[in-house]
Amino acid sequence: DQQVKQNSPSLSVQEGRISILNCDYTNSMFDYFLWYKKYPAEGPTFLISISSIKDKNEDGRFTVFLNKSAKHLSLHIVPSQPGDSAVYFCAARYYGNNRLAFGKGNQVVVIP
Amino acid sequence: GAGVSQSPSNKVTEKGKDVELRCDPISGHTALYWYRQSLGQGLEFLIYFQGNSAPDKSGLPSDRFSAERTGGSVSTLTIQRTQQEDSAVYLCASSLDGARGTDTQYFGPGTRLTVL
Repeated sequence: DQQVKQNSPSLSVQEGRISILNCDYTNSMFDYFLWYKKYPAEGPTFLISISSIKDKNEDGRFTVFLNKSAKHLSLHIVPSQPGDSAVYFCAARYYGNNRLAFGKGNQVVVIP
Repeated sequence: GAGVSQSPSNKVTEKGKDVELRCDPISGHTALYWYRQSLGQGLEFLIYFQGNSAPDKSGLPSDRFSAERTGGSVSTLTIQRTQQEDSAVYLCASSLDGARGTDTQYFGPGTRLTVL
């Protein structure tokens, strides 16, 4: 049972425009959410996170929004750059446990 | 500094054979995790080691899977009597202190396992 869901498997966006990735979750026991970025033949690298007590966290070009009542989070990348082309995974941590549940990932292609 | 390393990077084996996958975590990290990513799927949690505590094995899919962590550092994931559905990329991650909860997990490049 997929507790973290990422729809729209791929996204193409022009360089300089905004990329928006969405993630939905079903488990109310998740208390911490993360986005990871993955290039081919490499492991995922941590990008940005948000605690369930917040609704927004910003780090440079990356902003994560959390809507706890809707069990929805999104990642905004603005402006998008060609180096942002990668697979992005949404992940959630179970309260009291450090294991992560991951979505299936979104492929982002930034067109120069 | 050195990141998480895994070996081998690729492993092809025949159905029914045993395989061992190795993970070297970042030096000083007390927490170590194994995940796997099957084709078209997200990362699936397998097992988590925290210091000297008993590991969280709740993600292991069957008793053919086992893992150990020697001396609180290197870890080996063993799959016995491999099946074709075991084909996946096996990823190892480590973090400074898993008990802190908001610890960042740093991933290795993974081992791509193909079972023929």
